[in-house]
Amino acid sequence: SQQGEEDPQALSIQEGENATMNCSYKTSINNLQWYRQNSGRGLVHLILIRSNEREKHSGRLRVTLDTSKKSSSLLITASRAADTASYFCATDASGTYKYIFGTGTRLKVLA
Amino acid sequence: DAGVIQSPRHEVTEMGQEVTLRCKPISGHNSLFWYRQTMMRGLELLIYFNNNVPIDDSGMPEDRFSAKMPNASFSTLKIQPSEPRDSAVYFCASSLSGIETQYFGPGTRLLVL
Repeated sequence: SQQGEEDPQALSIQEGENATMNCSYKTSINNLQWYRQNSGRGLVHLILIRSNEREKHSGRLRVTLDTSKKSSSLLITASRAADTASYFCATDASGTYKYIFGTGTRLKVLA
Repeated sequence: DAGVIQSPRHEVTEMGQEVTLRCKPISGHNSLFWYRQTMMRGLELLIYFNNNVPIDDSGMPEDRFSAKMPNASFSTLKIQPSEPRDSAVYFCASSLSGIETQYFGPGTRLLVL
């Protein structure tokens, strides 16, 4: 399986600090996506990064992709209590529809 | 746009009963996905439709599960008969094309007693 695995499994930080989550995967991909899930809610898309891209930004979010290491990182700067959620990476199987979701990182931002 | 709509949001039923979950994808999206999320197994893809046609149902756990998409704006996931191990949150997602961003519904939390 090419399941993405997030690291760490859980992360607790103070409001205002930066949060970094990592995702590793096993086989070649075309796209990698990051999603957020608040407790009891559906997944919300954050960023899609393609295999020919190395970095993307969206507001306080920064995603990097290193295809040689088969890894990606999600950085949330100046975190807020509202960022408390689980974060998942999802990888495709070289251009197919089949995104495999990782097990997620549970982020807790303390006010 | 209202986003992906799922109903019901919560369902409690007894073992052996039939359960039908419903999904309305975002208008204009041609791809629809059903997922199941549990603590033990995480988020699993059950079935994928493209242009209302089931393309991949390899994730459907067993014959008790069936899914249909009679038109571009409606899909159902049916479990008959339901079992306690089917208890999970079931998500529907849609996308413009299968490989692009998926937009998730709020999920149906199913509890089978």
